[in-house]
Amino acid sequence: KNEVEQSPQNLTAQEGEFITINCSYSVGISALHWLQQHPGGGIVSLFMLSSGKKKHGRLIATINIQEKHSSLHITASHPRDSAVYICAVLNTGTASKLTFGTGTRLQVTL
Amino acid sequence: NAGVTQTPKFQVLKTGQSMTLQCAQDMNHNSMYWYRQDPGMGLRLIYYSASEGTTDKGEVPNGYNVSRLNKREFSLRLESAAPSQTSVYFCASSSRGGNLDTIYFGEGSWLTVV
Repeated sequence: KNEVEQSPQNLTAQEGEFITINCSYSVGISALHWLQQHPGGGIVSLFMLSSGKKKHGRLIATINIQEKHSSLHITASHPRDSAVYICAVLNTGTASKLTFGTGTRLQVTL
Repeated sequence: NAGVTQTPKFQVLKTGQSMTLQCAQDMNHNSMYWYRQDPGMGLRLIYYSASEGTTDKGEVPNGYNVSRLNKREFSLRLESAAPSQTSVYFCASSSRGGNLDTIYFGEGSWLTVV
């Protein structure tokens, strides 16, 4: 079993829909990152969380440390949100070493 | 401000050839990383450098060597390329380490070993 599991693996939505991507992890962590990878490969950091909730524009990330679970929400989705979204965790005690999920491929259609 | 720059973007190698992937960051970051990304798998850490002059093995270091030439540059060398090293390689950097700081990635290097 992978230490970081994301669901769903693939997601298709229509423009305007509310989207949720989930990340569950099985180890103790000190931080969790959400990343976005666009077609063509570039990876951009969206959020870094250690507790609670963060919001940036139409993106919201939450984390529940007790349940070992994080969610990434996209409100009013748009075709430009089409990308692979990757969750990565920093295991407690493993300084600088992130463990990555395999990603959720999101396609938003008109 | 270029961020993290890695070269080359695409490379085809024959089995047994050697090559070096170059990475440079202009954000004065202490930590730099090399990852590989394979279909159906998450990014996996090959090597990282917590500061200038130090390097440590990651999850999949076999077949690779690294050099932290200075604070800006962190290169990845394949001494004798194998088809199993066909992958997309990403260099990344962060100020102190992945836990508390945003991590910045290069655009990726697509390597094919035939």
